Amino acid sequence: QKEVEQNSGPLSVPEGAIASLNCTYSDRVSQSFFWYRQYSGKSPELIMSIYSNGDKEDGRFTAQLNKASQYVSLLIRDSQPSDSATYLCAAINNAGNMLTFGGGTRLMVKP
Amino acid sequence: EPEVTQTPSHQVTQMGQEVILRCVPISNHLYFYWYRQILGQKVEFLVSFYNNEISEKSEIFDDQFSVERPDGSNFTLKIRSTKLEDSAMYFCASSGGGGEQETQYFGPGTRLLVL
Repeated sequence: QKEVEQNSGPLSVPEGAIASLNCTYSDRVSQSFFWYRQYSGKSPELIMSIYSNGDKEDGRFTAQLNKASQYVSLLIRDSQPSDSATYLCAAINNAGNMLTFGGGTRLMVKP
Repeated sequence: EPEVTQTPSHQVTQMGQEVILRCVPISNHLYFYWYRQILGQKVEFLVSFYNNEISEKSEIFDDQFSVERPDGSNFTLKIRSTKLEDSAMYFCASSGGGGEQETQYFGPGTRLLVL
């Protein structure tokens, strides 16, 4: 079983809409989660981290963590064409500080 | 804003040759990492490094790979005898500043092509 799973997409939303990106994880990874954005050919760029159950907001981004369901999500409000990228969910391994990445969800925001 | 830097941005090499990829982590960070991403695939962990020794490594990080912190600023990944399947983007990352020990910041990557 994969440790971090994401729908590969593409997820297509109109400009100004809310984009909802989801991620599930196995119980072998720890409780620290990260969302990274990756433009084609570029490196992962940190968007947010979340450690506790509930919501964490930063500007247009809200991360949500539900440990009971082993589920973490990222909401992007007022989506812009510049948000079009692949969004990577990652978790810190219980054994240390190795990041385990999901395969990423490609988001397309259409003007 | 401090950032991780990597050189070179692109490297082309012949199969069997040695390559060294270089990274300068964020200056007050204590933990250093190498990841790779084969084209179209997920980002994969290779190795983590702390206090001048490897703290964790993946199955990918076999005897062909080594890491070193030769001075107070550089962190290197050496591949001794490259294979075709080593072609990938290699990302260096660092963490360990203040209260955000686990948050890893990535460099721009080195695209390695093995012919």
